[in-house]
Amino acid sequence: GQNIDQPTEMTATEGAIVQINCTYQTSGFNGLFWYQQHAGEAPTFLSYNVLDGLEEKGRFSSFLSRSKGYSYLLLKELQMKDSASYLCAAMDSNYQLIWGAGTKLIIKP
Amino acid sequence: GAVVSQHPSRVICKSGTSVKIECRSLDFQATTMFWYRQFPKKSLMLMATSNEGSKATYEQGVEKDKFLINHASLTLSTLTVTSAHPEDSSFYICSARPGQENQPQHFGDGTRLSIL
Repeated sequence: GQNIDQPTEMTATEGAIVQINCTYQTSGFNGLFWYQQHAGEAPTFLSYNVLDGLEEKGRFSSFLSRSKGYSYLLLKELQMKDSASYLCAAMDSNYQLIWGAGTKLIIKP
Repeated sequence: GAVVSQHPSRVICKSGTSVKIECRSLDFQATTMFWYRQFPKKSLMLMATSNEGSKATYEQGVEKDKFLINHASLTLSTLTVTSAHPEDSSFYICSARPGQENQPQHFGDGTRLSIL
């Protein structure tokens, strides 16, 4: 079956760095997406990886290893506004998105 | 770019009412739009994939006659929850995908539906 695993909740300190991991098992693979979702709001697109390696976009970076079925989202210089859920979604061979349950990130001062 | 507008943002109505939710892509054409449902503290649950000019593809367990989807143009899809009941109360979110299939989906702001 198809499956996405990511931690349910993480806590980090303002100004620090946090890495949110995601492992996936899909029928075929056409890329991995990360979305941010603040409470009560819709998700917003953060990143897309289809090739192995690190993609950096400002304070946020996303990494992919296709051979390991593994990705992570790295958030640097954490700010209070980064408190949100982070959703990992893998795209299968039919271009269907398989969504993870999300990781709730709590930032403490 | 890639702005998706969803309306209304909040609906409170009596049991038995039908509710229509609109999803519009404002600055791009969306051949495919998606309708999701999300319960509190849970992940997104895909309800159906809406293709312009053709019938929507519903996920297993989603009642077609209950959740009517129309994708009349490249910029508009609608979801109608027919004869809504309290168990239909949820957060409904649409998304649209510009261009190719591996492009990211862009989400509307969601509709919080409360059935009394």
